[in-house]
Amino acid sequence: DAKTTQPNSMESNEEEPVHLPCNHSTISGTDYIHWYRQLPSQGPEYVIHGLTSNVNNRMASLAIAEDRKSSTLILHRATLRDAAVYYCILRDNQAGTALIFGKGTTLSVSS
Amino acid sequence: GAGVSQTPSNKVTEKGKYVELRCDPISGHTALYWYRQSLGQGPEFLIYFQGTGAADDSGLPNDRFFAVRPEGSVSTLKIQRTERGDSAVYLCASSSPRGANPLSGANVLTFGAGSRLTVL
Repeated sequence: DAKTTQPNSMESNEEEPVHLPCNHSTISGTDYIHWYRQLPSQGPEYVIHGLTSNVNNRMASLAIAEDRKSSTLILHRATLRDAAVYYCILRDNQAGTALIFGKGTTLSVSS
Repeated sequence: GAGVSQTPSNKVTEKGKYVELRCDPISGHTALYWYRQSLGQGPEFLIYFQGTGAADDSGLPNDRFFAVRPEGSVSTLKIQRTERGDSAVYLCASSSPRGANPLSGANVLTFGAGSRLTVL
């Protein structure tokens, strides 16, 4: 599986937007970009995914670079409940394989 | 059920003992995954079932670890001769039938809360 690179940690203030970057320079044409997050003492939960176009859902937005070698998860207004580890994962849609997690980015949100 | 259920939520055992961890996936989900997570690390893939068969068991660390899913729903992760290094949170996830939306990439995994195993 192609690897992703994320910062170890980021900090944000409540009510402010948060941009979580992810580099994936070896992404292949069939790889989808998935984001999951893990709140303390819980299992990971799906956030958003995309292939080429930017995506929006009720939780977040995903901005994908034109060359697909990087992407950014955007939380439009951070809340204290958004404090979690955020994982950026590439997944080959055709392979039917499991998600392979890295260490992710630990997001801290201050009031 | 409404979500993925894992039991027990906590298990403390002694080194050398046998342990079983159970996962009840979301009803109708044909794919089931086991992961383990050590403190400060991301989840580590162990094994993945499609129906009753193990489609990928490349993540099982050694032959002390084994998992079954005999009827294609509930799965049990079995650990023999437990060691202190097996202490971790064991996570289970399930996903909807493969091919339901093959072009979307949306094979979303739903995780349980995990079973915390402590080997003394």
